[in-house]
This record gives sequence, C-alpha cells and structure tokens, in this order.
Amino acid sequence: ETGVTQTPRHLVMGMTNKKSLKCEQHLGHNAMYWYKQSAKKPLELMFVYNFKEQTENNSVPSRFSPECPNSSHLFLHLHTLQPEDSALYLCASSQGAGTGAEKLFFGSGTQLSVL
Amino acid sequence: GQNIDQPTEMTATEGAIVQINCTYQTSGFNGLFWYQQHAGEAPTFLSYNVLDGLEEKGRFSSFLSRSKGYSYLLLKELQMKDSASYLCAVITSNYQLIWGAGTKLIIKP
Repeated sequence: ETGVTQTPRHLVMGMTNKKSLKCEQHLGHNAMYWYKQSAKKPLELMFVYNFKEQTENNSVPSRFSPECPNSSHLFLHLHTLQPEDSALYLCASSQGAGTGAEKLFFGSGTQLSVL
Repeated sequence: GQNIDQPTEMTATEGAIVQINCTYQTSGFNGLFWYQQHAGEAPTFLSYNVLDGLEEKGRFSSFLSRSKGYSYLLLKELQMKDSASYLCAVITSNYQLIWGAGTKLIIKP
C-alpha cells in the first residue's frame, strides 16, 4: 500500500467514449502527477499539479484533460482517444514542490485499452 | 538529447547475486533514483544516489559514478519475490526527471 489509490484498475473504451480516471492520495502531499507507461518505453510525464495548480503540461494532446480539485484528488478525463493511447496510466504524488526531482509515491495504475 | 540505457531483460537464479546497470547521458546531474515495479503494481522507491559510491540497504545496494555516467543496482541473495522491473531515473540540472525503459528481472528457482 503506497498511499496512492487509483480507480478503475482496468478500463476498455471505444474511440468515441468519454471516461475519467481517478487518483486519491492519503499522504498529505502537495504535488500530484500523471504518467503514461507503455510497454518497454520510459515513463512519460503528462501533467504536474502543485497545490492544485497545474505547473507542467508536456505537450499532451487535448483529448486528455486533467483536473485537480484539491491537493488529495486528481482526475484525468479522456475523450475521443486513439488506439495508440492504450497504456498504463500512473498517478503519483510527492511531498515537495512538484519538480519531479523528488521521491515519488505511485498508484498501481489504470490499464487502459482503446478499441 | 537525453538518454538512459538499461538492459531490457535479465535472468538470475534464486540465491544468487545480480547487477543491473544504468548508463545515462543527460544535461547535467542532480541525483539518480532506482524504483522497483512488480507486474500490475505501483513502482516503489528503492534508492537515491547523489554522490559517488555505494549505498547499501539490506540485500539491495546502489552504486553511482558521476564521472562515468553510470549506476548499478546490486541485488544479493535473490528471492523469487525480486522478480520485477527495475527503473532507473536521473534528475537533470534543471530538475527534470528522465526515466529509463526499465529492466525486467526474472528469477528462476
């Protein structure tokens, strides 16, 4: 148990669907992150939030839309995805300023399949 | 460009020792992490090195040579539960975190 919970664990969606991924951290951390993990590829940082404010958006397509209502919760809204978006989506949190150069606590991820 | 190289897959025997290497070419260096990720689970922190040398933590040790752009993770007395992927990540001079693709370690009885 890492203190970071992600739901759902698995998601299958069509290209025209709209779905949301949810992340909750119980660690009292200030920063939260979304990462994409594809097989045999490095983790790709998508978004960073620090004290609810988005501090980084790594040229992610607009079909991915993050939302951070408070420091404990993070969402990733998905719409009109492409098959190449199929991957494991990991949420993480850290105690510091969200630079990414800190020890990260990850959730177990949502395995997304886009048909 | 920035690059981190790790072997894609390694196999070792239960009870043995294995060394997982990580070489990096990045714009500056401010530290290096190792994470462990079991299949279908969250990556979890193993170690952090910022100075040259060996850091030992139980059965796991991590080594860093900044001049060579090189680190390794040493796992001793391997157990079946050590079967996992091991991720190397480097903090650059502007505090970006660059990840390697990970090394899948398979432990055989």
